[in-house]
Amino acid sequence: EADIYQTPRYLVIGTGKKITLECSQTMGHDKMYWYQQDPGMELHLIHYSYGVNSTEKGDLSSESTVSRIRTEHFPLTLESARPSHTSQYLCASSPHDRSSPLHFGNGTRLTVT
Amino acid sequence: GQQVMQIPQYQHVQEGEDFTTYCNSSTTLSNIQWYKQRPGGHPVFLIQLVKSGEVKKQKRLTFQFGEAKKNSSLHITATQTTDVGTYFCAGINNDMRFGAGTRLTVKP
Repeated sequence: EADIYQTPRYLVIGTGKKITLECSQTMGHDKMYWYQQDPGMELHLIHYSYGVNSTEKGDLSSESTVSRIRTEHFPLTLESARPSHTSQYLCASSPHDRSSPLHFGNGTRLTVT
Repeated sequence: GQQVMQIPQYQHVQEGEDFTTYCNSSTTLSNIQWYKQRPGGHPVFLIQLVKSGEVKKQKRLTFQFGEAKKNSSLHITATQTTDVGTYFCAGINNDMRFGAGTRLTVKP
């Protein structure tokens, strides 16, 4: 029942490479989020967006950037990957109402060698 | 700023035992949500509590929201191996803050 899609599911890349993690949702949600999470551990908010052309940094300092040109698409880009970026990246979306629950994608497991 | 603390960090139980995780906020919340993340999976929404003192049940799971709307708990009666995973609370006020999660393991 995945209405929010993340690609790739797994990615192994070398240090210094530029990568973009894709996230798309078909639910027409205004709000989208990126979380970084080591397996089963705490969720760290790194970016969020409340609508087209709106992006904000989250609580966790990140060297990544995001864009929100279309409602359904919220890609995350790392200009120069490092081993410290190895983690799982979870994308989520929710309707505009602040009480609405988050819908998470399946995540991208990134390994930087 | 708003902080949400969740304890314990880990809980290991024998199948059939009960389990409880607690969530405490530094500020009064408008509502609280609970999520479950299975190993290797992504967080999935379980329930939302809105009213002071609210209690909701989902089969063996009981969710409570404190009278002051600053704390909440999730209690699982007679755990099963299918309950394994990490349980997160998320406090909502002006924004949403996740607790650090409680990782539950169940020994058959």
